[in-house]
Amino acid sequence: QSALTQPRSVSGSPGQSVTISCTGTSSDVGGYNYVSWYQQHPGKAPKLVIYDVSKRPSGVPDRFSGSKSGNTASLTISGLQAEDEADYYCCSFAGRHYVFGTGTEVTVL
Amino acid sequence: EVQLVQSGAELSKPGESLKISCKGSGYNFIRHWIGWVRQMPGKGLEWMGIIYPGNSDTRYSPSFQGRVTVSTDNSINTAYLQWSSLEASDTAMYYCARLFTGGVDYWGQGTPVTVSS
Repeated sequence: QSALTQPRSVSGSPGQSVTISCTGTSSDVGGYNYVSWYQQHPGKAPKLVIYDVSKRPSGVPDRFSGSKSGNTASLTISGLQAEDEADYYCCSFAGRHYVFGTGTEVTVL
Repeated sequence: EVQLVQSGAELSKPGESLKISCKGSGYNFIRHWIGWVRQMPGKGLEWMGIIYPGNSDTRYSPSFQGRVTVSTDNSINTAYLQWSSLEASDTAMYYCARLFTGGVDYWGQGTPVTVSS
C-alpha cells in the first residue's frame, strides 16, 4: 500500500488561498468518500480539519474546505492566516485499513 | 470528554522488547476502532495497524505486518503496541488514534521511543 501523493510544500501570503492535492488510486481515494485531512504543528499531535471529503468538525474555521475528483482529493485554505502555517496530511480509507498522504508543508509568507 | 492518554517516553536497546500503551476514557472503548501511527524524526505519518476492541479484529499495514503486535485489554480500556525485538530504525514518535469511518477524531499525545545502544 503506497502513500498518497501530496506536494512537498505550498506557500501563500496572508489572505490568499492555497490548495493541496492528494492523489491516490481507485482502491483508496477514488473508491471511497472517506478522505480526511489533518493539520500538524511542530511538536504537536495531528488535528482533524476535514472528514468525509468535505465535512468540517465543530470548531474548524470555514476557511478550510475539501473536495474530490476521481482519484484526487484537495484541501483549500482560503483567507490564509499565520496560524495556518503547519504540515497537512490527507488520509483515505482503503478497504481494510487506511493510508496517509506524504504530507505538505504550508508556509505563510 | 474523550481522551487518549499514552504511556511515557521510552529508551531501549536494539534487540529488546517493548510495549507501549494508550488508555481511552470518556467513551465506550469497545465500540471504536483504535489505531497506531508512526512518525519518524522529520518524516510523515504512517499507519501501523488498527484494532476493533469489540471483537479483536486486527489489521496491519503491509510494512508493519509481522514486526509489531497491536492488542487491547478491554477491562482497563487500554490499547497496546508491542515489539519483540527493537531496531534502531524503530526510533520515532508513536501516536494512538480513535477512528471513525471518516478518519481520526481523537489522538493521543504521542509516545517517543528511542532505540540506541
